[in-house]
Amino acid sequence: LAKTTQPISMDSYEGQEVNITCSHNNIATNDYITWYQQFPSQGPRFIIQGYKTKVTNEVASLFIPADRKSSTLSLPRVSLSDTAVYYCLVGEDTGFQKLVFGTGTRLLVSP
Amino acid sequence: DGGITQSPKYLFRKEGQNVTLSCEQNLNHDAMYWYRQDPGQGLRLIYYSQIVNDFQKGDIAEGYSVSREKKESFPLTVTSAQKNPTAFYLCASSISYGGLAEYEQYFGPGTRLTVT
Repeated sequence: LAKTTQPISMDSYEGQEVNITCSHNNIATNDYITWYQQFPSQGPRFIIQGYKTKVTNEVASLFIPADRKSSTLSLPRVSLSDTAVYYCLVGEDTGFQKLVFGTGTRLLVSP
Repeated sequence: DGGITQSPKYLFRKEGQNVTLSCEQNLNHDAMYWYRQDPGQGLRLIYYSQIVNDFQKGDIAEGYSVSREKKESFPLTVTSAQKNPTAFYLCASSISYGGLAEYEQYFGPGTRLTVT
């Protein structure tokens, strides 16, 4: 799996848009980009997945530039309940690829 | 209500004792997984199972054992051979093994094991 690099922590305020960038310089042609969210003492929750350009769902958007060496998870108008750790994962769509969770980005949303 | 249940939420054991953590899913998923999480760290894969009666070691299988006799159940035994068993244990499942569906794993609430 391609190694990923994310900021250790980020701070925001309620109502703001938060963008978390993940670097994956060694991403391979077949690799997809997946993001998970984890609250304290809970299991991670799948947020979004993409291959290129932009993907949007009811929770977030994922922006992937043409070279795919990075990706940005965008959370619109965050609330206090978005305080969590966000993990970026990269892996292939063929055969079993272990989900490798790094230390993630700890997002703190304040009033 | 479909989901994954893990029990108990908190578990305390004395050093040298084996302990079994329960994981049950009613999502009709083929694949199941066990992870370990230490404070401030990401998750590490212990074991995974693609299908009933089959399972494979993950990155840190030493000191652990599993079974998959039923599709909905994937218990994890932490043996006395595991040198640092105190951790947060998470069970997960996915619709299938391999492919994009595998990346959408559904996690249980976790079991926090403390061994003294």
